[in-house]
Amino acid sequence: DTAVSQTPKYLVTQMGNDKSIKCEQNLGHDTMYWYKQDSKKFLKIMFSYNNKELIINETVPNRFSPKSPDKAHLNLHINSLELGDSAVYFCASSQGLIYEQFFGPGTRLTVL
Amino acid sequence: SQQGEEDPQALSIQEGENATMNCSYKTSINNLQWYRQNSGRGLVHLILIRSNEREKHSGRLRVTLDTSKKSSSLLITASRAADTASYFCATDPVQSGSARQLTFGSGTQLTVLP
Repeated sequence: DTAVSQTPKYLVTQMGNDKSIKCEQNLGHDTMYWYKQDSKKFLKIMFSYNNKELIINETVPNRFSPKSPDKAHLNLHINSLELGDSAVYFCASSQGLIYEQFFGPGTRLTVL
Repeated sequence: SQQGEEDPQALSIQEGENATMNCSYKTSINNLQWYRQNSGRGLVHLILIRSNEREKHSGRLRVTLDTSKKSSSLLITASRAADTASYFCATDPVQSGSARQLTFGSGTQLTVLP
């Protein structure tokens, strides 16, 4: 059973397009996250979503928006994609803020 | 700015040897966590050490925390080829409000040669 799943695994798209990445967790956790990992493997928190409270990293452009239809899902929508958005995006979840986080397999986004 | 920084950036050892990775951070923390990332995969949680703990063990892993020096180390004993991965420390900095978030370093790439 996959604890945290993401789709798609690979996403190749043109600059200016809008795309979404889906994330689902079956662990019953109450907190979900989106991270961006750049080519140097630096992992940066983008959003955390806990009990309907969204915490946004202030450096994230407003072209990025998380959407949570329910506690088990946190999708990432990106508008007007730019070359610099190319990276691997990871979804994660935990029970409560900050504790052990379970990561999805990642979505490699390439913007051409 | 980046809270945790791992040292060294890359480490190559022979199977059976011990591997030590270090993490330094800048501000006071509630806890520090270590994660492993195999190539092309997501991160896997290894161990969490709280600010009032000095040492913690889990199987072949030993983590130490020195809050006075703002540093932590991860020791992997009797390494195996399967331990080849990137290892990240992540800190939970002490801060007010509800915006608690883990801050990851850029990792140590460990290669264990058979």
